[in-house]
Amino acid sequence: EVQLVESGGGLVQPGGSLRLSCAASGFTFRNHAMSWVRQAPGKGLEWVSGITGNGGRTYYAESVKGRFSISRDNSKNTLYLEMESPRVDDTAFYYCAKDYFGSGIFDAWGQGNLVTVSS
Amino acid sequence: DIQMTQSPSSLSASVGDRVTITCQANQDISNYLNWYQQKPGKAPKLLISAASDLKTGVPSRFSGAGSGTDFTLTISSLQPEDFATYYCQQYHSLPRTFGPGTKVDIK
Repeated sequence: EVQLVESGGGLVQPGGSLRLSCAASGFTFRNHAMSWVRQAPGKGLEWVSGITGNGGRTYYAESVKGRFSISRDNSKNTLYLEMESPRVDDTAFYYCAKDYFGSGIFDAWGQGNLVTVSS
Repeated sequence: DIQMTQSPSSLSASVGDRVTITCQANQDISNYLNWYQQKPGKAPKLLISAASDLKTGVPSRFSGAGSGTDFTLTISSLQPEDFATYYCQQYHSLPRTFGPGTKVDIK
């Protein structure tokens, strides 16, 4: 069974930093791209960032480019999102999602992790 | 960026009703279109990919259609567990973009 378990969320001050993690199991992690998708409370879904299976290419939404950094450790089956200089409007539930062979089809999702940016 | 729209934004329906949700892209995305279901407090769940391919385990009352810029998600006979918010998402190009969602609730 595919499982994605996020951790690392919580309260962060504007301009601070935070790292989210997503531990994967139940599939060959290195074979699949991964993405982060967020959802502000009561709002819709927004794709944030993606990374290829070998970690060689990364992609970002304009809204986070230059502030967030996606990475992965295939030896640990773990995906990361480093959030630098977060803003109040980055407050959201952050989901990691398995991107089926990099197709753009998000066929499995983590449970979501709330990040609150507030002073 | 490709913009996705959905209509209606919400609808009220009864168990057993046939429900259709539409999704439109502002440019041709061929059939690179997914549908997700999200229940309150839960992660989204993939229902349909490639506009019409039902994911294994998804009930056959769900179906998808369309190509190019116009797509539909149909629930042939609404069940109590289907009350949720539905999102379309294009994967024709980056950035991946989602529609604003359609909330289906009980009449």
